[in-house]
Amino acid sequence: DVKVTQSSRYLVKRTGEKVFLECVQDMDHENMFWYRQDPGLGLRLIYFSYDVKMKEKGDIPEGYSVSREKKERFSLILESASTNQTSMYLCASSTRGGPDYGYTFGSGTRLTVV
Amino acid sequence: GQQVMQIPQYQHVQEGEDFTTYCNSSTTLSNIQWYKQRPGGHPVFLIQLVKSGEVKKQKRLTFQFGEAKKNSSLHITATQTTDVGTYFCAGRETGGFKTIFGAGTRLFVKA
Repeated sequence: DVKVTQSSRYLVKRTGEKVFLECVQDMDHENMFWYRQDPGLGLRLIYFSYDVKMKEKGDIPEGYSVSREKKERFSLILESASTNQTSMYLCASSTRGGPDYGYTFGSGTRLTVV
Repeated sequence: GQQVMQIPQYQHVQEGEDFTTYCNSSTTLSNIQWYKQRPGGHPVFLIQLVKSGEVKKQKRLTFQFGEAKKNSSLHITATQTTDVGTYFCAGRETGGFKTIFGAGTRLFVKA
């Protein structure tokens, strides 16, 4: 069964901490994405990557950075966590060519910044 | 920039009633995708539509893509309690790379 795995289901961090959210996919997908999900706002794109070492800003990149050193791994970094970054973070992947099966999402990481 | 609006935000139905959620884009879309997120879960891909006027069915679910490729709908016939969750549409702008998600419609089904 194909999978997108996020390293943590729940995280609690302090304001100002550097936070790493890890995502690994086993489908050999080219594209990977980080979204945050907040009530009433749906899914908002933070960053995406369509190849190793490539990254593109999404709609709300401020306060975040990403790293994609290997095809299967896409990391989201909160340089200095703030309370307004408390949210559900969802990683997703998709394939570039062939039949489009949409995005495969991970189970999410619920981050609380205190 | 591209915006994808989805209505209604919430819908409460009695089991057996029909349900429809609508999705409208500010720009022409190359495709529209639909996802379902169960309470406490993550979005799961349901279907993709790419052709103008396309209609696809999955059992009690009917998906439509508008003729102008700027709107879409998901209709559920005779809802069941297993249909509860949030339904998201997601559209890719023609010539673009990003897929933009609507805010979702949360469906509540009363037995």
